Amino acid sequence: SQTIHQWPATLVQPVGSPLSLECTVEGTSNPNLYWYRQAAGRGLQLLFYSVGIGQISSEVPQNLSASRPQDRQFILSSKKLLLSDSGFYLCAWSERGGTDTQYFGPGTRLTVL
Amino acid sequence: AQSVTQLGSHVSVSEGALVLLRCNYSSSVPPYLFWYVQYPNQGLQLLLKYTTGATLVKGINGFEAEFKKSETSFHLTKPSAHMSDAAEYFCAVSVRVKGTGSQGNLIFGKGTKLSVKP
Repeated sequence: SQTIHQWPATLVQPVGSPLSLECTVEGTSNPNLYWYRQAAGRGLQLLFYSVGIGQISSEVPQNLSASRPQDRQFILSSKKLLLSDSGFYLCAWSERGGTDTQYFGPGTRLTVL
Repeated sequence: AQSVTQLGSHVSVSEGALVLLRCNYSSSVPPYLFWYVQYPNQGLQLLLKYTTGATLVKGINGFEAEFKKSETSFHLTKPSAHMSDAAEYFCAVSVRVKGTGSQGNLIFGKGTKLSVKP
């Protein structure tokens, strides 16, 4: 069966510091991968999605970036965090050519102080 | 373009009462529709989905939803609420482009927080 991992689970970072969040999927090949953010009271915001290694689409221009160095690895990064980057970050995957069902990881709670 | 509207950001029911969470969608092509549940500080969990076929879809934890094309609705119901149903619920529609099919992305509603009173 497929599983999706995210780490770290929680993170507290000062403003201006860098960020790296990692997501890995097991038990499937060539998945579509997604990064979402939930800010307080703002629902789910799609940040990036990827249909293959090195293929990243950005939905919202901001100081975050994403990379997909391996088929089942998706990384969210920032060079300098802002207060507004605080939130709950969710990674998800879906089967390419499937029914678009997305399966979510456990999330990372990021607090920027 | 597709869109989703969830009516009511907060819904409160008594334990044992009917749960009804409303979702309306807009889509120019036959939609794929989903309901997800999120417990505090956890990821989203798929409750049920409609793609094609039977319009009444049964999911986990006793929930079901009915696709009504004429009403562009996909409301979520459960006959009898349990305390453990207290969570946030999200409706979503697949982004599908006429002639080319799915892009693989989902558009989510803003969510409905369900409270269950003893």
